[in-house]
Order: sequence, then C-alpha cells, then structure tokens
Amino acid sequence: NAGVTQTPKFRILKIGQSMTLQCTQDMNHNYMYWYRQDPGMGLKLIYYSVGAGITDKGEVPNGYNVSRSTTEDFPLRLELAAPSQTSVYFCASSSRQGGETQYFGPGTRLLVL
Amino acid sequence: KNQVEQSPQSLIILEGKNCTLQCNYTVSPFSNLRWYKQDTGRGPVSLTIMTFSENTKSNGRYTATLDADTKQSSLHITASQLSDSASYICVVSARSNTGKLIFGQGTTLQVKP
Repeated sequence: NAGVTQTPKFRILKIGQSMTLQCTQDMNHNYMYWYRQDPGMGLKLIYYSVGAGITDKGEVPNGYNVSRSTTEDFPLRLELAAPSQTSVYFCASSSRQGGETQYFGPGTRLLVL
Repeated sequence: KNQVEQSPQSLIILEGKNCTLQCNYTVSPFSNLRWYKQDTGRGPVSLTIMTFSENTKSNGRYTATLDADTKQSSLHITASQLSDSASYICVVSARSNTGKLIFGQGTTLQVKP
C-alpha cells in the first residue's frame, strides 16, 4: 500500500491563479481530510469528507473547494490564490472518525507570490 | 474554546538523554489524545493514542501519560537518538458527531550528538 499520496510536492503560484492539489489513498478509508500548516502553528482543518459525494467545511474553508467523487480521491481546489494561502497542505485519511488514527500524506508546499 | 497548548516550543538535548514534552488542553467533552511525530518535510505519524480511562501508553522509547482530571498529557522520550529530532504534536479529539481533531502547535526537538 502506498498509503496517502499527494501531488505536487511543491508549487509556486501567482496571485489570482488557480490550482488543484491532488490527494489519493489506497486504504479504502471512508474519511478524508485537508489541513494546512502555517509555520509555528498547529494544523488547521480546511475541509473533510465522510464518504464519496459528502463533504463539509472545517475550521478555515474560505478560498478553497473540494469534491469527493470516489473513495480514493479528495482533491482540493484553490480558485483565486492569495498570499495568505502560502502554507503546507496535508491530506489525511482514516477508517473512522474520532478514535481512529489519521494517516497523513507527505504534504504539498505552496507559495503564492 | 477548545485549545491545545504545548510546551516547550523547542528543545535541544544531547543524544542518549531523556526528555519530557508537555501538553495542556481545554477540549470538552474529551474523547482521546494522540501524540504525533512529524519529521521535517513529512506528514505527521501517530505515536500513541489514549482514551479517557488510560493513564499511560508506551511505544518503544516513547511513553505518553494522561491526567484527564487536570487535562494534561506528557510525552517522555528515553535514551534519545538523533532520529528523534522532529516536531512532536499533541492532538485532542472532542467527542462529537464529527470527531474533529484539535492540534497543538508542536514542540520541536533537536537531538545533538
């Protein structure tokens, strides 16, 4: 199993550009999550999904969109990139919420200039 | 407000020494507490998970303790190794329909030879 994979590893965007961060898991987990991690700060939940076709907002959803058409994939879309979105983005998955361990991908480092 | 505070923010120790990291939380109602290890440039990896009724849990040289009355946890690392250099994140789950996680800001540990 590859676990949770994310692409790209690093990207530079200009203000106003858009992009999609890809996330795929091969563990057949129902629950998937997107977090951002700013320097010296804890991870903050952007969006999460409890299964294909079901998504919900987390703590910091503004400026982002997600979709979940399959169990395996959970892409994160940035429509109009802003410097405040410069961060490291982590995708995670778990088989249950709450008491179940979340497995994290390696992260995507995004720089918006 | 649900919060997780970790101390110290950073720590430098010599190889072979022991150290203890602290985590205080105000999350309610409490479900479980996890400690994650995050190597530089990688996603977090789970070390331990403890529920309300558990006081201690070990994973090799890592021992986590939980005092649910005082809402404090600690992570003790014994006989530190250079590979222990990483950020250690305390994560608390609230008992709710969504089971969302609240992340501490992490303690950065550097082990020097």
